[in-house]
Amino acid sequence: EAGVAQSPRYKIIEKRQSVAFWCNPISGHATLYWYQQILGQGPKLLIQFQNNGVVDDSQLPKDRFSAERLKGVDSTLKIQPAKLEDSAVYLCASSSRLARAGELFFGEGSRLTVL
Amino acid sequence: AQSVTQLDSQVPVFEEAPVELRCNYSSSVSVYLFWYVQYPNQGLQLLLKYLSGSTLVESINGFEAEFNKSQTSFHLRKPSVHISDTAEYFCAVKREYGNKLVFGAGTILRVKS
Repeated sequence: EAGVAQSPRYKIIEKRQSVAFWCNPISGHATLYWYQQILGQGPKLLIQFQNNGVVDDSQLPKDRFSAERLKGVDSTLKIQPAKLEDSAVYLCASSSRLARAGELFFGEGSRLTVL
Repeated sequence: AQSVTQLDSQVPVFEEAPVELRCNYSSSVSVYLFWYVQYPNQGLQLLLKYLSGSTLVESINGFEAEFNKSQTSFHLRKPSVHISDTAEYFCAVKREYGNKLVFGAGTILRVKS
């Protein structure tokens, strides 16, 4: 079974530029999560989708971050314009509705450096 | 809201020695508790979880954690570590009827030969 796929693995941009990250969850997983992991901190939930609907985006900085999951499968997270403090690893995770609580499957992450 | 505190940012230990990684949580409602592990250059993987029942839970690679409700703790232990256990370990909490998984800041376990 293929795992959660993310791309790109690494991205370096200058502040005020834009960037987009892509995630393809495990086949059949209805729930998709985007987490931000800043160096030295634990992952912080940015947004959670159930199929193509948003369940929780309370910690998403909506003035610069956006995310979509149009067909209920893969998802894109966009940052525009980027700030220095957005430097982090962006983790995508998915879970099955049938899985026991809390069993999230994570991708390897997309590391963003903003200069 | 729930929160998680991992009391040690780094734990160096010699191979075959015992180790304990400490985790305390805060929540006003019933919770589920988890330990995730992140090996170098890999994604987070679920190590073990407490949902209900026995307060002592075990993983397939020799780690165990004990849920202590009175002390609001979920410490991770292993009686004898290997070099291959070198990784970052994250404690996480989720409300029993909630959606959000909240992580601690992580503890880097460095096993030395």
